[in-house]
Amino acid sequence: DAEITQSPRHKITETGRQVTLACHQTWNHNNMFWYRQDLGHGLRLIHYSYGVQDTNKGEVSDGYSVSRSNTEDLPLTLESAASSQTSVYFCASSTDHNHPLHFGNGTRLTVT
Amino acid sequence: GQNIDQPTEMTATEGAIVQINCTYQTSGFNGLFWYQQHAGEAPTFLSYNVLDGLEEKGRFSSFLSRSKGYSYLLLKELQMKDSASYLCAVPLAGNTPLVFGKGTRLSVIA
Repeated sequence: DAEITQSPRHKITETGRQVTLACHQTWNHNNMFWYRQDLGHGLRLIHYSYGVQDTNKGEVSDGYSVSRSNTEDLPLTLESAASSQTSVYFCASSTDHNHPLHFGNGTRLTVT
Repeated sequence: GQNIDQPTEMTATEGAIVQINCTYQTSGFNGLFWYQQHAGEAPTFLSYNVLDGLEEKGRFSSFLSRSKGYSYLLLKELQMKDSASYLCAVPLAGNTPLVFGKGTRLSVIA
């Protein structure tokens, strides 16, 4: 069965470190997204991609970057982790705008 | 998202009916989604409305009025397992990514 997987599920890192969160989908979806979820804010869009070599900034992109070298993967990199980036991160994919998002199980990141 | 409003919390009794409202503002409507999210889990898709009216799917129904920028999710015959957060989401403009409301946390009590 097709799926979308995130790794790691949990990560603790120190302020200033570079961190990369992985997202891999086997749906063959062109659209991929990264959201973060925090109490009081809900899901907020970080970056997204509509296809290979395409990346776009979302609402809260500062301090994050993504790359899309193939259809299956959209890794999210925190250039220099900050305590404000402690959050739960969700990756999602979809066929197109009129189809629902399929979410990964999330990565809980703690920056100490 | 500041363009989407939902109540923060609701409580309802097992077996009852509950309606969760969502109001939104977009510059190019392209459908409204409802997701369910249990604590500690990922959101899962519930419904999609692109035309005005009611879409029924088992115990869950979703209603849309595009002219009023308004939707609701109706849950019937509530069960304890329906205790979760319910997220309303729309693209803010045309074919842009979904923006989510802050979610409504529903507690179903006996």
